[in-house]
Amino acid sequence: DVKVTQSSRYLVKRTGEKVFLECVQDMDHENMFWYRQDPGLGLRLIYFSYDVKMKEKGDIPEGYSVSREKKERFSLILESASTNQTSMYLCASRLAGPTSYEQYFGPGTRLTVT
Amino acid sequence: GEDVEQSLFLSVREGDSSVINCTYTDSSSTYLYWYKQEPGAGLQLLTYIFSNMDMKQDQRLTVLLNKKDKHLSLRIADTQTGDSAIYFCAESPRDSSASKIIFGSGTRLSIRP
Repeated sequence: DVKVTQSSRYLVKRTGEKVFLECVQDMDHENMFWYRQDPGLGLRLIYFSYDVKMKEKGDIPEGYSVSREKKERFSLILESASTNQTSMYLCASRLAGPTSYEQYFGPGTRLTVT
Repeated sequence: GEDVEQSLFLSVREGDSSVINCTYTDSSSTYLYWYKQEPGAGLQLLTYIFSNMDMKQDQRLTVLLNKKDKHLSLRIADTQTGDSAIYFCAESPRDSSASKIIFGSGTRLSIRP
């Protein structure tokens, strides 16, 4: 079974802190994604990566950066956390290619910025 | 642009059928999906349909695709309390890079006894 793990289930940080959210997948997937989930807004794509050291902005990249130094690991960085970044963060991975249809999700990290 | 729309809430009586509807905008989408999110968990793929199909049935689940109206529905027969969750409709545009998937806002399904 594909497994996507996230470093923390719950995180509380103060405004202005630098925050790292880690995601690891064990199925050698090329593509990895970071979303945030807010009530009534569904999942919004922050950043994605289609290979090591490759990244592309999603729909809401402002205030975030990412790092992919190894294929299995994709990190989301909040350089200076703000209260409007309080949210549920979901990581996902997917095999590359037109026949690959499923995106696998981690359990999520609920981040609270106070 | 790309957009997937669905209603936010649905309440059904236990044992009845649930029908969750969704509209999407990208007619080139290769796959259309239904994901399920149980409380405190990530999303899990429930079922999917390839864009050249009209219907797919899998046990209690029936997916209907109307390409002309860009309408996707999920029917859950004999709804049980374990079906309480948020259901996300999603599409995979053909020309998206890195196999991007566009998600709707999610429909929260609640079950009445």
